[in-house]
Amino acid sequence: EADIYQTPRYLVIGTGKKITLECSQTMGHDKMYWYQQDPGMELHLIHYSYGVNSTEKGDLSSESTVSRIRTEHFPLTLESARPSHTSQYLCASSEASRNGTDTQYFGPGTRLTVL
Amino acid sequence: KNQVEQSPQSLIILEGKNCTLQCNYTVSPFSNLRWYKQDTGRGPVSLTIMTFSENTKSNGRYTATLDADTKQSSLHITASQLSDSASYICVVSDRGSTLGRLYFGRGTQLTVWP
Repeated sequence: EADIYQTPRYLVIGTGKKITLECSQTMGHDKMYWYQQDPGMELHLIHYSYGVNSTEKGDLSSESTVSRIRTEHFPLTLESARPSHTSQYLCASSEASRNGTDTQYFGPGTRLTVL
Repeated sequence: KNQVEQSPQSLIILEGKNCTLQCNYTVSPFSNLRWYKQDTGRGPVSLTIMTFSENTKSNGRYTATLDADTKQSSLHITASQLSDSASYICVVSDRGSTLGRLYFGRGTQLTVWP
């Protein structure tokens, strides 16, 4: 069982609200990621971080923002939620490796519904 | 375009039976291929990882194969159990960037009936 945690697990909010999805890992991993996943679809990378003060946008354009002030913490923020943001958000972390074989450990996910 | 295609999209089998899930990819260059298991409402959990030089790897009742020439992989599940009901995701990594970008399939939804 991976030591990576996400809160809340489920969130239902109204349009226009600001929300922050929390992700924490206790494995000391340098790399952290945020994915978005719709039912029956593949995971899409929306943000990643190589380490503290490092954040990059992923393959899928997202209106969310992230920060990495501490190694173990990688929160995702939506300033103004819209129904199109309804999805499952998965956080992951991995140790940096030289040959790209690092395994990503996933949190349980946050299912977000915007009404 | 780099892609990962999985088949079948969904599969129903009886408890105790074996099954094989398929993954075809066009990702190039190729670094490694992973199979993940994702239970409903949970994050994916890694089952196996294979690099270019490996053509089979087992993890308990799960056996993954890789044919890097034909760019195909399979995941064989032996003596299925109810707890095997999940989505099985094939993930291919390229070595074209320092991130080792991951390409995800849509998964095969396996249901095991008693």
